[in-house]
Amino acid sequence: NAGVTQTPKFRVLKTGQSMTLLCAQDMNHEYMYWYRQDPGMGLRLIHYSVGEGTTAKGEVPDGYNVSRLKKQNFLLGLESAAPSQTSVYFCASSSYSDQYFGPGTRLLVL
Amino acid sequence: GESVGLHLPTLSVQEGDNSIINCAYSNSASDYFIWYKQESGKGPQFIIDIRSNMDKRQGQRVTVLLNKTVKHLSLQIAATQPGDSAVYFCAERATGANSKLTFGKGITLSVRP
Repeated sequence: NAGVTQTPKFRVLKTGQSMTLLCAQDMNHEYMYWYRQDPGMGLRLIHYSVGEGTTAKGEVPDGYNVSRLKKQNFLLGLESAAPSQTSVYFCASSSYSDQYFGPGTRLLVL
Repeated sequence: GESVGLHLPTLSVQEGDNSIINCAYSNSASDYFIWYKQESGKGPQFIIDIRSNMDKRQGQRVTVLLNKTVKHLSLQIAATQPGDSAVYFCAERATGANSKLTFGKGITLSVRP
């Protein structure tokens, strides 16, 4: 039981490049989330999903897209990376109450 | 807008002492609250939760207190240990919010040996 896993762990992008962050959970949770964490800002919700095939915008969705084609996977895409998207990205999943977090992906956009 | 906040950015305590971390919330519709611990380089980890129909819940060395009258949440850690050094977040869930949580900005707990 791996819980929530994220790939990659670290990535450096140039402005304008695209990439996809992968989140996987093996707890059969319905809900999945993508957050970004910046110094002094806490965790801010980017997008979330309440079930396979569904997605919804969170607090800071601009510049990101997501897909939930399979229940266990939640993908976060950056179509054209900007330096403002330099951050640590966390994925989480839940059945309804407390959320289980992955180890994070550090993204640096130059 | 609604927000969850913490009173102090950092807290330094002596090893063996009790720690109290406070959190103020403003959404009176919140029905569920969680405390998370985040160690350096890791994701947040669940510590303890409490529902709005309770005012106190105890775990192993931790206690969460909820005062709905003044919209205040606290985390008490007994006999604080060096391994408790981390950033602590409170989070709230509003009723009907599709399980979405709103997180506070976090407070750093530093344990002095």
